[in-house]
Amino acid sequence: ILNVEQSPQSLHVQEGDSTNFTCSFPSSNFYALHWYRWETAKSPEALFVMTLNGDEKKKGRISATLNTKEGYSYLYIKGSQPEDSATYLCAFKNSGYALNFGKGTSLLVTP
Amino acid sequence: EPEVTQTPSHQVTQMGQEVILRCVPISNHLYFYWYRQILGQKVEFLVSFYNNEISEKSEIFDDQFSVERPDGSNFTLKIRSTKLEDSAMYFCASSGTGRPGYGYTFGSGTRLTVV
Repeated sequence: ILNVEQSPQSLHVQEGDSTNFTCSFPSSNFYALHWYRWETAKSPEALFVMTLNGDEKKKGRISATLNTKEGYSYLYIKGSQPEDSATYLCAFKNSGYALNFGKGTSLLVTP
Repeated sequence: EPEVTQTPSHQVTQMGQEVILRCVPISNHLYFYWYRQILGQKVEFLVSFYNNEISEKSEIFDDQFSVERPDGSNFTLKIRSTKLEDSAMYFCASSGTGRPGYGYTFGSGTRLTVV
């Protein structure tokens, strides 16, 4: 079992605040790190897939960084909006087919 | 945008009964997966399927579980004799490639409740 940890478990911010979450994963046999956004009753939606140490990806107000040598990734949300409220999942992929998920960070953004 | 479709969205079944969870992956995808999430726990990998055979399975995927792609469009997960601990949200996913740099497309899940 590959240990993928996410922190914090939950987060409550005000609209307009910027926030970030952490995902830690095994630093050996690394192939890819995925971030998904999951709203209740909907499909988990792929945000980013990162494969190279030092990768930085951005989609609108959301960005992510990757450090494979120390085994962590950060997800940043700039100027949070209520529609950003969701659970953010990270998943580590080694040489197999499986994604190994963390428990997620539940974000609530209030107006 | 193409979607992965899962049916039913919620299924209640009695312990010991067989259930079949259905998924329609994205039409030009070649790799198919089942995951599940027991309430309060992590999303867990069950099985991956490529070229009409299982390519990888987890310890959870024991003899009670099977997968099938019966007609080139549907991808099913069968649980032969359900147990209370099989109650979970089951997600189907597909990807166009097995290469590491590509994301998966997930369905919205089937919530299975075993009573």
